[in-house]
Amino acid sequence: ETGVTQTPRHLVMGMTNKKSLKCEQHLGHNAMYWYKQSAKKPLELMFVYNFKEQTENNSVPSRFSPECPNSSHLFLHLHTLQPEDSALYLCASSQRTRGNTIYFGEGSWLTVV
Amino acid sequence: GIQVEQSPPDLILQEGANSTLRCNFSDSVNNLQWFHQNPWGQLINLFYIPSGTKQNGRLSATTVATERYSLLYISSSQTTDSGVYFCAVHVDSNYQLIWGAGTKLIIKP
Repeated sequence: ETGVTQTPRHLVMGMTNKKSLKCEQHLGHNAMYWYKQSAKKPLELMFVYNFKEQTENNSVPSRFSPECPNSSHLFLHLHTLQPEDSALYLCASSQRTRGNTIYFGEGSWLTVV
Repeated sequence: GIQVEQSPPDLILQEGANSTLRCNFSDSVNNLQWFHQNPWGQLINLFYIPSGTKQNGRLSATTVATERYSLLYISSSQTTDSGVYFCAVHVDSNYQLIWGAGTKLIIKP
């Protein structure tokens, strides 16, 4: 238990579906992240939120839409995905003033069919 | 940009063996972290170690910032140590971690 909870753990969706991934952190952190991990590739940072404000968007396609309603919750809305978007999506959080030690959720395994 | 290289890429050991994993980085860093990713995808932070040595049970880590490398030691390996070990560095005050490609460790019973 890392203090970061992701749901669902597994998701299969068609290319025309709309779904959302949810992340919640119970650590009192002020920064939250979405990462993508594809097979045989390094972790890719997708989005960063600091105090609910998006501070990083690493050229992520618009079919991925993040939402951060407060410092404890982060969503990733998915729409008209492609099969190559199938991957493990990891949420993480950190506290900037405590040296950026970063804590990850268990991940959401996404398969696009 | 900064390069982070891990070695070896793969390592297969018998239970009980010791191992050393290495992380080299090409420029000065603000901090360095070691992570373990289990076969189910969970990434666990092992050490936050910008310099010096830390120990946690059978695991220890040493970072020599002036020589731009860090080592992760695993002693008396257990099958539950299997997985991928990543190092990641921060290069400045932004939020981006630069990740190595990982070392895949398999511990055989």
